[in-house]
Amino acid sequence: AQKITQTQPGMFVQEKEAVTLDCTYDTSDQSYGLFWYKQPSSGEMIFLIYQGSYDEQNATEGRYSLNFQKARKSANLVISASQLGDSAMYFCAMRGPGYSTLTFGKGTMLLVSP
Amino acid sequence: DVKVTQSSRYLVKRTGEKVFLECVQDMDHENMFWYRQDPGLGLRLIYFSYDVKMKEKGDIPEGYSVSREKKERFSLILESASTNQTSMYLCASLQGLNSPLHFGNGTRLTVT
Repeated sequence: AQKITQTQPGMFVQEKEAVTLDCTYDTSDQSYGLFWYKQPSSGEMIFLIYQGSYDEQNATEGRYSLNFQKARKSANLVISASQLGDSAMYFCAMRGPGYSTLTFGKGTMLLVSP
Repeated sequence: DVKVTQSSRYLVKRTGEKVFLECVQDMDHENMFWYRQDPGLGLRLIYFSYDVKMKEKGDIPEGYSVSREKKERFSLILESASTNQTSMYLCASLQGLNSPLHFGNGTRLTVT
């Protein structure tokens, strides 16, 4: 069984600072994928970044990067230069080999202050 | 761009009613999903479908059923709505296993 743990219910950061959102996972599979989604107050789920378990480089997408530490089974999201529009709920998710479904964590609410 | 459309943004139903939540995607994706989102619990998978007329139970299928008569449409059915089914329901579709899920905007269902 796969499990995703996000230990931070809420995080606060000031505008222009970097912030790290934690995600740890548990799986016995060797091949898997890790995803991060953003959900603003409007409710839509926005895909941010993907990391495959065999990818040697950490994934990056603009201001988002994924700090992937395979041995520690962690896949933390780093947001550089936070903006007010980054205030949202953030979900970490995982997909195992041959599966189409995603298992989600409980989410972290990020608030960015001016 | 993939478009996943959920027919209702907000829905209010009475206990015992039969409720249909509709979802349509326009990208010919084979896989479609229904998740439920509750505060503090994240997203939980109710049902998914990998082909027309095929369905698989997710983690919390009790009290729900689904229908996939056409590839683009995946319906979630609450046979007899109960107050504990008050929640946000999210539909999603998937192109391939290394691809992200594409979500609709969600339906916030209140059962009174």
